[in-house]
Amino acid sequence: DTAVSQTPKYLVTQMGNDKSIKCEQNLGHDTMYWYKQDSKKFLKIMFSYNNKELIINETVPNRFSPKSPDKAHLNLHINSLELGDSAVYFCASSQREHYNEQFFGPGTRLTVL
Amino acid sequence: AQSVSQHNHHVILSEAASLELGCNYSYGGTVNLFWYVQYPGQHLQLLLKYFSGDPLVKGIKGFEAEFIKSKFSFNLRKPSVQWSDTAEYFCAVNVASGGYQKVTFGIGTKLQVIP
Repeated sequence: DTAVSQTPKYLVTQMGNDKSIKCEQNLGHDTMYWYKQDSKKFLKIMFSYNNKELIINETVPNRFSPKSPDKAHLNLHINSLELGDSAVYFCASSQREHYNEQFFGPGTRLTVL
Repeated sequence: AQSVSQHNHHVILSEAASLELGCNYSYGGTVNLFWYVQYPGQHLQLLLKYFSGDPLVKGIKGFEAEFIKSKFSFNLRKPSVQWSDTAEYFCAVNVASGGYQKVTFGIGTKLQVIP
């Protein structure tokens, strides 16, 4: 009965590969996010979608491409993975009428070798 | 653009000590304020939130925070910490202006409680 779920939980891959992370929320929220948390625990917002429309696109390499097939899903595709992409990626969702209180997924730990 | 500052990056306390973690934001308009906690190996969870009304907000696990508008601050407090409070704490601000909303997180404060 997880509110925000992500798959996979762990992802180990070689440099240069392409990988995807999936996120789903069953809270009926209208906004979804991707965050990157580095080894120092710094949380950086990458993208935000509201009703399937991209509303926040921070300074992120264009190797990262989010896709929102519907309000409940926001996937992250990463091309040509680099060592510096190693991090924990968190998906989150919120409802704008509820002041964007964030509900986080369990995270995906990506390790690029 | 709004920003959030957390001045204490790493705090080490003994059990039963009192805690205060600082959070300041820069935005002159209406804000909604949050504190999130991230226990080791886990995701971020909401600790408490301020939307309006009483500026002293009580959250889970004995935490509270006070919104002081004149100081642009939303400091987190707990009178007596426990070892299980060891975690990373994040302050966050939601700004709503003209139909546009954006959440900004601080860099986090690592709290280590020594038994």
